[in-house]
Amino acid sequence: GAGVSQSPRYKVAKRGQDVALRCDPISGHVSLFWYQQALGQGPEFLTYFQNEAQLDKSGLPSDRFFAERPEGSVSTLKIQRTQQEDSAVYLCASSAGSDTQYFGPGTRLTVL
Amino acid sequence: SQQGEEDPQALSIQEGENATMNCSYKTSINNLQWYRQNSGRGLVHLILIRSNEREKHSGRLRVTLDTSKKSSSLLITASRAADTASYFCATASDSGYALNFGKGTSLLVTP
Repeated sequence: GAGVSQSPRYKVAKRGQDVALRCDPISGHVSLFWYQQALGQGPEFLTYFQNEAQLDKSGLPSDRFFAERPEGSVSTLKIQRTQQEDSAVYLCASSAGSDTQYFGPGTRLTVL
Repeated sequence: SQQGEEDPQALSIQEGENATMNCSYKTSINNLQWYRQNSGRGLVHLILIRSNEREKHSGRLRVTLDTSKKSSSLLITASRAADTASYFCATASDSGYALNFGKGTSLLVTP
């Protein structure tokens, strides 16, 4: 079946612009995660949803970052007033409740 | 912050050789997972080992876990050029669900 998909795959933004990154999880997966991966580093946890409820947003680096999953399926990660340090790959993962998380291909964000 | 540390940071071997990567972590865990990441692609789950397991096999992969030393190793036998990728260990705590990743080991397998 279809895996996790993310769009866009690449995004270039000018500093100060707002961006929205989309994640389509595997159908039926209850849990959804967002991670941020800087160049040469491992992914770092941003936020976690169980269905439509955002149960943990402790990894969001600032209040410019906002995530939602209004119907418990598709999720959007929004970054307001982007800064150069926001440049990274943003990974979405979903899980059926088991331990294994299935990752999407990521969105590479470059802030100029 | 990164929980795990992989060792070595980079590894270069020839096809047919075995590759061993190590991972150390800091806090108690529920399970430890290994992922592979090819250039430009997302993370692919390879294998999961639970805290009460010591060794697990999957095809050409062998994972060990030593909770007393807070360490794990991933062995890839009879490596192929297609195994070229970055390999990450990730831990999930007893109370957590988020994965804590290390910085990864970059593996290059040359024909």
